[in-house]
This record gives sequence, C-alpha cells and structure tokens, in this order.
Amino acid sequence: ETGVTQSPTHLIKTRGQQVTLRCSSQSGHNTVSWYQQALGQGPQFIFQYYREEENGRGNFPPRFSGLQFPNYSSELNVNALELDDSALYLCASSLPTGAANEKLFFGSGTQLSVL
Amino acid sequence: AQSVAQPEDQVNVAEGNPLTVKCTYSVSGNPYLFWYVQYPNRGLQFLLKYITGDNLVKGSYGFEAEFNKSQTSFHLKKPSALVSDSALYFCAVRDGGDKLIFGTGTRLQVFP
Repeated sequence: ETGVTQSPTHLIKTRGQQVTLRCSSQSGHNTVSWYQQALGQGPQFIFQYYREEENGRGNFPPRFSGLQFPNYSSELNVNALELDDSALYLCASSLPTGAANEKLFFGSGTQLSVL
Repeated sequence: AQSVAQPEDQVNVAEGNPLTVKCTYSVSGNPYLFWYVQYPNRGLQFLLKYITGDNLVKGSYGFEAEFNKSQTSFHLKKPSALVSDSALYFCAVRDGGDKLIFGTGTRLQVFP
C-alpha cells in the first residue's frame, strides 16, 4: 500500500454539475499528479502540481482545474460535467527529486460516474 | 512525441509457466520506461523502471524486464507465473519532467 489517499472512493453526478476530488500525498512528497483512466484505457495525464503551482498539463480543457495546499494535499475540480468525464481519477505523488526516472505512488482512485 | 504500445489486450498463461507481457516504445532521446500493475479496485503499483545502461531490470514480486534498444522493446517477464499475478499491466514512458504516457494495458490471466 502507498501512503496516497483519495476521497471519495465513488461518486455519482449528473451532467452539468461540478465535482471536487481530494488527494493526500505520501509523507515527504511535494509533487502531485492527476490522471484520468477511462474504462478499458490506460491512465491519461491531466496535470501536475509542485509546491502549490501547476507544473505541467495534459490535453484537458480548462474546466479541469486543480489546487495544491501548503501541506501538499491536492484537489481536482471538474466543472460542467459531461458524460465522457465518467472515469477512474487517480492521484499520484512522487519524491521531490525532479528526476525523470522517479516512480509515482498512486492512490486507489475515485470512480466518478456522470449520468 | 513519446509513446508506448502494448500489442496484446490479454495474455493467458498456466501457473508455473514463464510469462511475457510485451511493450514497444517510441521516444526521442533517452527513454525512461516503467511497468505498473493494477489489481481490481486498486490504484497502480510500481513494478520496475529502466535506468540507462542496465538492460535487464529486476523489480518487485519476481518480475523483470528486458530493454532492447534495437527492437525498441521493454518486455515484462517472470520465470514462473502465479495465479496471484493475474492483473492489468501497464507499460509507461516518461514524457518531459512531469508526466507518464501509459499504454492501453494488458490483462494477464494465470490459470491454475
């Protein structure tokens, strides 16, 4: 088990609503990344936060936004939910080495269903 | 752009037999390659990573992977499969300093 925790584990929303997902990173990790894993697909990078600043973003629209707090926990916010947003959302933290070969520690994810 | 491909959606193997899960990559520059495993209702768990210069990488749970530059491959292997190895396996490549690019995954089914 990693020390990365995500909440809630499951969530059901309707189209057009807004949702906030939460992540607590492993102790000592100041870098948090969010991934979207659609059914039958590999995870896709949404964005990364490093020391409370966005540090890279994947091909996701602006209605996907995030925050990182001073304790390095993080939130993922999605506005104007669409049916295609239904997916497993994974949070991952990593050691603050900045090395390209650094491994990620993933949480168990939040399963979001949009009806 | 960096990418990885996992050509097999599913691999079936009998317990005790060797297993191979295939991955090929396309990168510019030095590749940083990873294997992760996902069990049902769980997040991804790190198995192993490739570090330049060491073509055979040993990882968790008895898994290893062989980096082959000429074939641009990074296949995951295990000499003797266990039923408990049944899971979804993802190959990934680091793209820049911030993200991993994952393959579509290969479901490994180990039969008793």
